[in-house]
Amino acid sequence: EADIYQTPRYLVIGTGKKITLECSQTMGHDKMYWYQQDPGMELHLIHYSYGVNSTEKGDLSSESTVSRIRTEHFPLTLESARPSHTSQYLCASSATPLAELTDTQYFGPGTRLTVL
Amino acid sequence: EDKVVQSPLSLVVHEGDTVTLNCSYEVTNFRSLLWYKQEKKAPTFLFMLTSSGIEKKSGRLSSILDKKELFSILNITATQTGDSAVYLCAVSNFGNEKLTFGTGTRLTIIP
Repeated sequence: EADIYQTPRYLVIGTGKKITLECSQTMGHDKMYWYQQDPGMELHLIHYSYGVNSTEKGDLSSESTVSRIRTEHFPLTLESARPSHTSQYLCASSATPLAELTDTQYFGPGTRLTVL
Repeated sequence: EDKVVQSPLSLVVHEGDTVTLNCSYEVTNFRSLLWYKQEKKAPTFLFMLTSSGIEKKSGRLSSILDKKELFSILNITATQTGDSAVYLCAVSNFGNEKLTFGTGTRLTIIP
């Protein structure tokens, strides 16, 4: 089972600020994901990565960017936050190919972002 | 485009009742179907199903997949207040590494 961490857990900031949401996992999983979820709504994939130096945009268009310089770390950055970015952001990781349960994504606790 | 539909959207039952949650899907090159439980924050993994007709069981929870009719059910017997949560269904395909989630069923257990 993965140990996956997100910081901060809660963030309230003003419009125009640059923010970075941190996500780290300690299990050496190659694949990592960022989801956005509004209250009572479904999860939407916004970014994913298959490994170091690999990043792709997800199904939901997002103004955020991601990087994957190290296997264990997958930060998400908003250059200029706006109220429309207010949401919960969930990070997940999954096992490398050939391992069991390769589709199973283990989620971090989430970051609830509020932009005023 | 892959699609997952869960029903009911919301369910309220008394403690001790048995519930059945439904998930139907449309996906190209189906690979697996997963169930998650989401309480206050992040989803936690429950089951992954890849083969039709094989029941996965964990305590009071069980799930089965029907690949012919393109649906899965999640059963919870002898429900407890701790079972109150949103239950999410997701599918994956062989074309990419992404999961497509349904909107979830919100289950509330009344003591």
